[in-house]
Amino acid sequence: DAGVTQSPTHLIKTRGQQVTLRCSPKSGHDTVSWYQQALGQGPQFIFQYYEEEERQRGNFPDRFSGHQFPNYSSELNVNALLLGDSALYLCASSLGTDDLGRPQHFGDGTRLSIL
Amino acid sequence: GENVEQHPSTLSVQEGDSAVIKCTYSDSASNYFPWYKQELGKRPQLIIDIRSNVGEKKDQRIAVTLNKTAKHFSLHITETQPEDSAVYFCAASYTGGGNKLTFGTGTQLKVEL
Repeated sequence: DAGVTQSPTHLIKTRGQQVTLRCSPKSGHDTVSWYQQALGQGPQFIFQYYEEEERQRGNFPDRFSGHQFPNYSSELNVNALLLGDSALYLCASSLGTDDLGRPQHFGDGTRLSIL
Repeated sequence: GENVEQHPSTLSVQEGDSAVIKCTYSDSASNYFPWYKQELGKRPQLIIDIRSNVGEKKDQRIAVTLNKTAKHFSLHITETQPEDSAVYFCAASYTGGGNKLTFGTGTQLKVEL
């Protein structure tokens, strides 16, 4: 049973550039959430995709955008990169998006470094 | 929005002792409370969760308790082992939040031999 997979594992960019991160959810899951984890801190919610639409969004600027494909995989795009965007970007998948509390399973993340 | 506070930030125990980590949440509409374990350089791993209609849940050496009146929940690890050493995060999601998780700041647990 394949878990959540993310690519790439590491990425180095310079300020002002754009980046795309990818995520494939756990088999059987249809919802993908993205989180940013700065060093020494807890993950912070960026947004969530279900049925190819953004359903929830955290306190992140419009430079952060995403997409979900018909096979439930997802992309996170960040434009005009800033030094402060350096972090571990985590993808989590779950089944459904109701308010009952659905267990979310995380991938290994993409370590993004901005120079 | 939801705010989750977690204490302590670091916790050191002797092998075989118990460890307790506490979290408080702000939104009374919160209804789902998972705990994650994250080892250095690895993904957060879901270890136990509890819903608001349950007061306590146990899975082998790990238990979680929830006090809705006080808006706090706790993780209890008994008979700690060196492999329990990691950072533990509590989280909460609320009705209307569509399963969006708000995380605490983490607790670095060290189990010493």
